[in-house]
Amino acid sequence: GEDVEQSLFLSVREGDSSVINCTYTDSSSTYLYWYKQEPGAGLQLLTYIFSNMDMKQDQRLTVLLNKKDKHLSLRIADTQTGDSAIYFCAESKDSNYQLIWGAGTKLIIKP
Amino acid sequence: EAGVAQSPRYKIIEKRQSVAFWCNPISGHATLYWYQQILGQGPKLLIQFQNNGVVDDSQLPKDRFSAERLKGVDSTLKIQPAKLEDSAVYLCASSSDPTNTQYFGPGTRLTVL
Repeated sequence: GEDVEQSLFLSVREGDSSVINCTYTDSSSTYLYWYKQEPGAGLQLLTYIFSNMDMKQDQRLTVLLNKKDKHLSLRIADTQTGDSAIYFCAESKDSNYQLIWGAGTKLIIKP
Repeated sequence: EAGVAQSPRYKIIEKRQSVAFWCNPISGHATLYWYQQILGQGPKLLIQFQNNGVVDDSQLPKDRFSAERLKGVDSTLKIQPAKLEDSAVYLCASSSDPTNTQYFGPGTRLTVL
């Protein structure tokens, strides 16, 4: 079936690294995405990775993809208060360009 | 490049009333999506357009929801009559094939009393 799972909450100290995890079920997914949603705002695309890649780095963000285990992670280095948000993982199905979404992980930053 | 525009940003109505939301996608994006996001959940796809044609509306409650994209650019989503459970944020997104990277508008927060 189609399912994307994420932990609901993650709490980290300011300055530490945050690692948000996601598991998906459809091995035919072509792209996997991370979106950020701040309170009262829409969804902001953070980064995406093509399914034939293992890793993608973009400034403080590192995405790791383990296709064998269907596991995706987002690492945020040097976490800041501005990183407080809900982070959504999504997978794209090549057949109809639709996204299957996780329920989101709320990142809480402790001072 | 201008992003996806949506209006209004907020709307409060009473149950059984009707409401309409408007979306203007990023210029040149052929695919447009409407999502419903209930508090604490991920977005749920309501309808997907490719230009002015409907690709998928399987999760659109067609007894009360309707959507159109007449000229293949702007789109409107209508609810008539609204129910309490329609309270949610309605998100519009657009993409240009083939990567399917979807870009979202700020959303319309609907409260049904």
